[in-house]
Amino acid sequence: DAKTTQPTSMDCAEGRAANLPCNHSTISGNEYVYWYRQIHSQGPQYIIHGLKNNETNEMASLIITEDRKSSTLILPHATLRDTAVYYCIAPRSSNTGKLIFGQGTTLQVKP
Amino acid sequence: DTGVSQDPRHKITKRGQNVTFRCDPISEHNRLYWYRQTLGQGPEFLTYFQNEAQLEKSRLLSDRFSAERPKGSFSTLEIQRTEQGDSAMYLCASSLRHPEAFFGQGTRLTVV
Repeated sequence: DAKTTQPTSMDCAEGRAANLPCNHSTISGNEYVYWYRQIHSQGPQYIIHGLKNNETNEMASLIITEDRKSSTLILPHATLRDTAVYYCIAPRSSNTGKLIFGQGTTLQVKP
Repeated sequence: DTGVSQDPRHKITKRGQNVTFRCDPISEHNRLYWYRQTLGQGPEFLTYFQNEAQLEKSRLLSDRFSAERPKGSFSTLEIQRTEQGDSAMYLCASSLRHPEAFFGQGTRLTVV
């Protein structure tokens, strides 16, 4: 499975954009990048995924570099409820859909 | 509620006892997953079902662990002869299409 590297923790001011980086330099051409988050005491929640093009949905935007070796998850206007552990996942292509979680980035949104 | 449901939410058991957890996935989802999460770590994949067929098992799933999904609906995860190292959060997830998986709130197991 492709290995991802994320900072252990980040802070963000409420109302500002939160930019969470992820390095996945060993990703292969047909492997997607997925982002999930886990709010304390809850199960993980799907956020977004992408292959080559930038993606946007109601929760976040995903910017993938042209060489696909890194990506950034953007929460445009962070709120206190966005405080969570954010996981960047780039598993080897699989028919099972299993997810290989790392330790993620703990994002603390501060008032 | 149409989300993934897990029961019980918390379980305390004595070492050596058997425990069983239940997961009710979202009704139309054919894929079901079990994960285990210890404090400060990300979830670790345990096993995967497509409908009633168990198609993948992690080597983390020792012979004390068994999972079933009869009739492709709910699933159970049983741990026999529990050990203190089994203490963790056990998460169930279901999906209809990869990669958007929906997770339950988990069952927290404490082995004393």
